[in-house]
Amino acid sequence: DAGVIQSPRHEVTEMGQEVTLRCKPISGHDYLFWYRQTMMRGLELLIYFNNNVPIDDSGMPEDRFSAKMPNASFSTLKIQPSEPRDSAVYFCASSLTSGAGETQYFGPGTRLLVL
Amino acid sequence: AQRVTQPEKLLSVFKGAPVELKCNYSYSGSPELFWYVQYSRQRLQLLLRHISRESIKGFTADLNKGETSFHLKKPFAQEEDSAMYYCALRAGTYKYIFGTGTRLKVLA
Repeated sequence: DAGVIQSPRHEVTEMGQEVTLRCKPISGHDYLFWYRQTMMRGLELLIYFNNNVPIDDSGMPEDRFSAKMPNASFSTLKIQPSEPRDSAVYFCASSLTSGAGETQYFGPGTRLLVL
Repeated sequence: AQRVTQPEKLLSVFKGAPVELKCNYSYSGSPELFWYVQYSRQRLQLLLRHISRESIKGFTADLNKGETSFHLKKPFAQEEDSAMYYCALRAGTYKYIFGTGTRLKVLA
């Protein structure tokens, strides 16, 4: 398995443009997480899904952010319109349902720069 | 409030010196704590979890409920330990709260 796959790896866009980040979780994993990483705030959970259903989106910063998981093998995080303060590295992670101590497997991240 | 605090953004030590990366948490329930590591140009990956009480790459971490801490320790640092380290708390079924991270630099 190639692990969690994210695309694009880098994205440079102008303020006001729509940005779509993509994620393919590890096959068979039923939990999917979106995180944002910044120097100031570290790694923040934005939203997570279980069996394609959003469970907790309390970390989504504002209405400009939306996430979908149309099927078990694909998820998107969309920012519309984008702003310079959205510049960060966005990580997707997936995990299996199990008992305590379950491991999250992270993708390589998408480095977003909004000019 | 649920929170994970890593007070040091950067920690520099010499090769062979002991390392302690600090992590404190705030959580009203029974905590599950983890350390994740991100080496240069690699993915963020699990280093260890407190319930396993394991030692990985010479690192250990003990959960101290009285001090609400989960510090990561290694007696003798190696250059290949240089990385970004995140302490994480599982708060709720699958909600993870990460600290802001500590960059460890091991100097030759």
